[in-house]
Amino acid sequence: DAGVIQSPRHEVTEMGQEVTLRCKPISGHNSLFWYRQTMMRGLELLIYFNNNVPIDDSGMPEDRFSAKMPNASFSTLKIQPSEPRDSAVYFCASRATGRETQYFGPGTRLLVL
Amino acid sequence: GESVGLHLPTLSVQEGDNSIINCAYSNSASDYFIWYKQESGKGPQFIIDIRSNMDKRQGQRVTVLLNKTVKHLSLQIAATQPGDSAVYFCAEVALTGGGNKLTFGTGTQLKVEL
Repeated sequence: DAGVIQSPRHEVTEMGQEVTLRCKPISGHNSLFWYRQTMMRGLELLIYFNNNVPIDDSGMPEDRFSAKMPNASFSTLKIQPSEPRDSAVYFCASRATGRETQYFGPGTRLLVL
Repeated sequence: GESVGLHLPTLSVQEGDNSIINCAYSNSASDYFIWYKQESGKGPQFIIDIRSNMDKRQGQRVTVLLNKTVKHLSLQIAATQPGDSAVYFCAEVALTGGGNKLTFGTGTQLKVEL
């Protein structure tokens, strides 16, 4: 199994630009999670989906952030417009039905100048 | 509010010694705990888990101990190796209506000295 796949692995952009992060969960997993990791705040849950439906987006910082899961094998996290304070590592994780353990992707390192 | 925290931000051990990484949690209703290892530039990697109805679980070179009385969790690594150098996170699972959410601690940096 390839594990959770994220792209791009690195993203450098300028303030005000739109950023789209992508995730492919492990095949057969029905839950998908987006996290943000910074030195100051550690790992924060942004949003998670069960069976492609957003369940809890209370961690999404503000309206500039949006996430979609159009099908069971793909999700996007979009930031528009991006700001320097959005610079962080963004992780996607997936989980199988009936299980608690989440499996993480390699992350996308975002730098907003 | 509920929180998960670590006692020691950095732990240095000699290669071959045993390591003990500690974690305190505050939500007595948590059902499940997970230890993750995060190497530099990588995502968190599952190590071992334990349910709240257990007090000990062993894996390959790792043991997790759970003390519900004092809300304390520990990860023991036997014969620590250079490859064990990483940040270790404990995570607490709280059951919610639509699924399980992980609450992560701040992490402990384990440094293995040769």
